[in-house]
Amino acid sequence: QSVLTQPPSASATPGQRVTISCSGSSSSVGSNVVSWYKQVPGTAPKLLIDGNDQGPSGVPDRLSVSKSGTSASLAISGLQSEDEADYYCAAWDDSLNGWLFGGGTRVTVL
Amino acid sequence: QVTLRESGPALVKSTQTLTLTCSFSGFSLRTTGMCVTWIRQPPGKALEWLALIDWDDDKFYSTSLKARLTISMDTSINQVVLAMTNVDPADTATYYCARIKKVVGYGAPDYWGQGTLVTVSS
Repeated sequence: QSVLTQPPSASATPGQRVTISCSGSSSSVGSNVVSWYKQVPGTAPKLLIDGNDQGPSGVPDRLSVSKSGTSASLAISGLQSEDEADYYCAAWDDSLNGWLFGGGTRVTVL
Repeated sequence: QVTLRESGPALVKSTQTLTLTCSFSGFSLRTTGMCVTWIRQPPGKALEWLALIDWDDDKFYSTSLKARLTISMDTSINQVVLAMTNVDPADTATYYCARIKKVVGYGAPDYWGQGTLVTVSS
């Protein structure tokens, strides 16, 4: 069982906006930055946005992140077919002294 | 250009020890702030963090697997090794290694290897 909680699925039609939530604890999301990954099945995860809200080159402006207390979220606007993938949140946990990942959210473009 | 590549057996038997090697280039574990971490993903399931080693040879392990894991590094040949003892079919997964940079805290794994699928047979 993942310690960071994400909804298992999210969907929207092309051009719409989808939001993925990530809930943790005071020692993880509440104390540290949250990063987001995209994984196309059969390939390695790709870092979308690191905890400092900086993305590797090539991250589209359609992505935005937010955090409040022990919850964070990733929003994808102007949804496109290429956005279909699994999305994971991740955060360092000060109590566990290690990284935590969410259970992943499958985004489907209807 | 940062690259990482995992290698190891594709099939191991229950109770055996699994040894995986991460060979990397484009950075050095002799450089302050550089780290390598291991993460796994059972088929159809979520990512699970396993272990991390940093340039200062500090090591961190998943609480649930700590007793079975050992991470080590050889900076002369740019390799990090993860050993997992007493494997079980539940350890069947794709195992990834990735780079981490420590600035203020341990940053997110940024560059990942392609992963290696390990199947544990009973």
